[in-house]
Amino acid sequence: QQQVKQSPQSLIVQKGGISIINCAYENTAFDYFPWYQQFPGKGPALLIAIRPDVSEKKEGRFTISFNKSAKQFSLHIMDSQPGDSATYFCAASVLQGAQKLVFGQGTRLTINP
Amino acid sequence: DGGITQSPKYLFRKEGQNVTLSCEQNLNHDAMYWYRQDPGQGLRLIYYSQIVNDFQKGDIAEGYSVSREKKESFPLTVTSAQKNPTAFYLCASKDGRATTEAFFGQGTRLTVV
Repeated sequence: QQQVKQSPQSLIVQKGGISIINCAYENTAFDYFPWYQQFPGKGPALLIAIRPDVSEKKEGRFTISFNKSAKQFSLHIMDSQPGDSATYFCAASVLQGAQKLVFGQGTRLTINP
Repeated sequence: DGGITQSPKYLFRKEGQNVTLSCEQNLNHDAMYWYRQDPGQGLRLIYYSQIVNDFQKGDIAEGYSVSREKKESFPLTVTSAQKNPTAFYLCASKDGRATTEAFFGQGTRLTVV
């Protein structure tokens, strides 16, 4: 059972454009929603994260939008740059207990120069 | 430098052999995790450990085993019972506090030949 569904699988954006990746979750107990960035042959690294008590969080060019009623959250990358080309994973976890991360399927983002 | 070290980076195994992947962290984190990454499927949890001498099965534990004899170390053994072991394996660690970041190693790519 896929608890976190991510779309699209791949995305091509022109330099300077906005990249948007969407995720939907099923488990209403989730209370922590991070996004990870992964370059080829490397481990994922935390990009930005949000708790469900806010609807938006911005860090530089990266913004998470969160819709608790729809159980959806999205990553927006403004002014996308070729260096942003990577695979992006959304994830969700329950902060009590083991804090296991449940990941989406990933989105391969390519920024064309 | 603090971080998580996985070794080896590449590993080749003959069918029917067991193989052990190493994961060491010097972040003084209590919790450690093993994930498997396959194309188009995101990261799936194999095993996790919240404290020394204790570990729990994740979503895809069949054919794998772990130990947690030291806080710094969480080795993963891929046994001959794992039907499709070729994958990218990622180790992560986290301290016990809520909303703190999970740090990932650089991964081990296992290929069955």
